[in-house]
Amino acid sequence: GAVVSQHPSWVICKSGTSVKIECRSLDFQATTMFWYRQFPKQSLMLMATSNEGSKATYEQGVEKDKFLINHASLTLSTLTVTSAHPEDSSFYICSARDKEVPEAFFGQGTRLTVV
Amino acid sequence: AQKVTQAQTEISVVEKEDVTLDCVYETRDTTYYLFWYKQPPSGELVFLIRRNSFDEQNEISGRYSWNFQKSTSSFNFTITASQVVDSAVYFCALSVYGVSNFGNEKLTFGTGTRLTIIP
Repeated sequence: GAVVSQHPSWVICKSGTSVKIECRSLDFQATTMFWYRQFPKQSLMLMATSNEGSKATYEQGVEKDKFLINHASLTLSTLTVTSAHPEDSSFYICSARDKEVPEAFFGQGTRLTVV
Repeated sequence: AQKVTQAQTEISVVEKEDVTLDCVYETRDTTYYLFWYKQPPSGELVFLIRRNSFDEQNEISGRYSWNFQKSTSSFNFTITASQVVDSAVYFCALSVYGVSNFGNEKLTFGTGTRLTIIP
C-alpha cells in the first residue's frame, strides 16, 4: 500500500510554544489529507480536511487559529499547534488518500505532550 | 449522515481461539466502501481490507476473514487461531463512494474494539 510518513513521532513542548507536525505522502500524490486527534482509548476524531492549495476545512468545534493547517504541495501537509497548552496533549495522526484507490493510509502518529 | 457501531469495546481471548469483531453501519447512500484497520500499540493505523457496497463476497486472507451482509448492514471480522501479535485495537470504517475520485471523502470510524490475546 501507499506510504504516509509523519514526523515527529513524539514531541514534548512547554506550554505557550508552538509545535509543527508534518505529514508526507511518499509514493503518491495526495490532493487531500486528513488530520485526526485521538484521546486514550478512544476513536479517531477528525479535526480537519487539508486540501492542496486551498484553505483547510475544519470540523465543528475545532479552533482554526489554534490548529493551523497548511497543504502547500501534493505530498506535504503540516499541522501547527499554536500556543500549546496541556489540554492539547494528545495523539495526532494524519491520513492521505491516493485518488486511485478508496482506502486511506495513515501516518505513524505524533504523541504531543505539553508541559 | 453515516454511522459505524462497534458494540464490543474490549475482547479478551486465549491464544489459538477464534474471535469475531462486530461492525454495524448506517448510511443512506447506495454506494460506499467499508474498511477495517488495525491499530497496534505503536499507534499507526494499518489498513486490512476494503469492501464496496456492490461486493458481498466474503473474503479470507490467511487467518483473517470478513463477512459482509448488506441485509443486516454488518461487516464482521473474524480471526481464527488467534495469536498474541493480533492484540490491537481494530477499527471499522465507512466512506461514501466518490463520483470522480476517492480523494475527498471522509472516513467515518467506529469506536474501535480492543482485542487482547492471552498467551
